[in-house]
Amino acid sequence: SAVISQKPSRDICQRGTSLTIQCQVDSQVTMMFWYRQQPGQSLTLIATANQGSEATYESGFVIDKFPISRPNLTFSTLTVSNMSPEDSSIYLCSVGPTGAGETQYFGPGTRLLVL
Amino acid sequence: GESVGLHLPTLSVQEGDNSIINCAYSNSASDYFIWYKQESGKGPQFIIDIRSNMDKRQGQRVTVLLNKTVKHLSLQIAATQPGDSAVYFCAENGNYGQNFVFGPGTRLSVLP
Repeated sequence: SAVISQKPSRDICQRGTSLTIQCQVDSQVTMMFWYRQQPGQSLTLIATANQGSEATYESGFVIDKFPISRPNLTFSTLTVSNMSPEDSSIYLCSVGPTGAGETQYFGPGTRLLVL
Repeated sequence: GESVGLHLPTLSVQEGDNSIINCAYSNSASDYFIWYKQESGKGPQFIIDIRSNMDKRQGQRVTVLLNKTVKHLSLQIAATQPGDSAVYFCAENGNYGQNFVFGPGTRLSVLP
């Protein structure tokens, strides 16, 4: 299994500002994913981040709003730009498939509140 | 009982009873399924998985059943404990196996 940490664990931000969330994995992984989980909702995939290539965004998510970096096989960042209250969510980093198990593992999440 | 509304469906069970959480998946091409448990303030945690060549798999106190004919998954928890209180998500790997697509989730509430 992979151990994933995220920073910050939570933040309160003002509208119009940007926040960069960091995701660190304890092993090298090819595929990393960023999810959003709005209050009381399920997980929605924002984008897939593979090292050495541009992130692939899902419908409804754009690079200008959620720029992603993937500088190496153990680290990624997601920036939430020009925030509005509607961006208040939990943002989750995930890795997988890892090895033969094909399971996705999740970080603890970053709880964002935009005022 | 179980209810569906604007928020997550909730299943309330008495401590010690068995729980059954259901999930309908969408993609008939999915061949790998996972149940996740998400406790308050934490990320989803892997519980148990099942591949499409199986219809049942058992873990410690948990059993997953797969019915491919009707695209249905269920998670059974035996002797439900207060620590089982959480939101449970099923996930399928229908997106060409690249990542998992999550179901809407069910909140399990264990009553003393």
